[in-house]
Amino acid sequence: DTAVSQTPKYLVTQMGNDKSIKCEQNLGHDTMYWYKQDSKKFLKIMFSYNNKELIINETVPNRFSPKSPDKAHLNLHINSLELGDSAVYFCASSQHPNQPQHFGDGTRLSIL
Amino acid sequence: AQSVTQLDSHVSVSEGTPVLLRCNYSSSYSPSLFWYVQHPNKGLQLLLKYTSAATLVKGINGFEAEFKKSETSFHLTKPSAHMSDAAEYFCVVSDTGNQFYFGTGTSLTVIP
Repeated sequence: DTAVSQTPKYLVTQMGNDKSIKCEQNLGHDTMYWYKQDSKKFLKIMFSYNNKELIINETVPNRFSPKSPDKAHLNLHINSLELGDSAVYFCASSQHPNQPQHFGDGTRLSIL
Repeated sequence: AQSVTQLDSHVSVSEGTPVLLRCNYSSSYSPSLFWYVQHPNKGLQLLLKYTSAATLVKGINGFEAEFKKSETSFHLTKPSAHMSDAAEYFCVVSDTGNQFYFGTGTSLTVIP
């Protein structure tokens, strides 16, 4: 039973393309997050949704757009991919904001 | 403003010896503090959390951490390292808002 699942696990694509990463949680949590982890393992929060409402929107390029169709899903769409977007993207969820988070296994995005 | 400092980027210990991973935080409020572990190619997993109850917190896999307000520290310890403990460890502070602040991580190597 995967609690937080992300698809795809690996994504290799060319500069300029548009891609989406999907995330689903089956824990009944209210809050979901997207993080970016760079090659030095530094984690940066990008977005957070609580009950489908955006509550954290860090300084990320407008090319990144999250969408939460329901509480169990938070997808990330990226337009016009750039080399610097290469990273591992993690989805996470928590019962409420400030509660411990459960993480997916990550999506490894490589831009050629 | 909140921040987290993990004092060591790399720690190496021999199997069977104690582990100490150091974390200092700054917070304007009574913080919640967490330690997460990340194994290779995996998402982060919660080890333990402090939320203003007992100052000595026990977590999974034999880890524990002590909250010391006077020293603004939340160091992670384990009496005896196991090979399976080799991973990246993140100290995290959360304030009364919705934000989580991640440390830069400590890579733990366990030498057989």
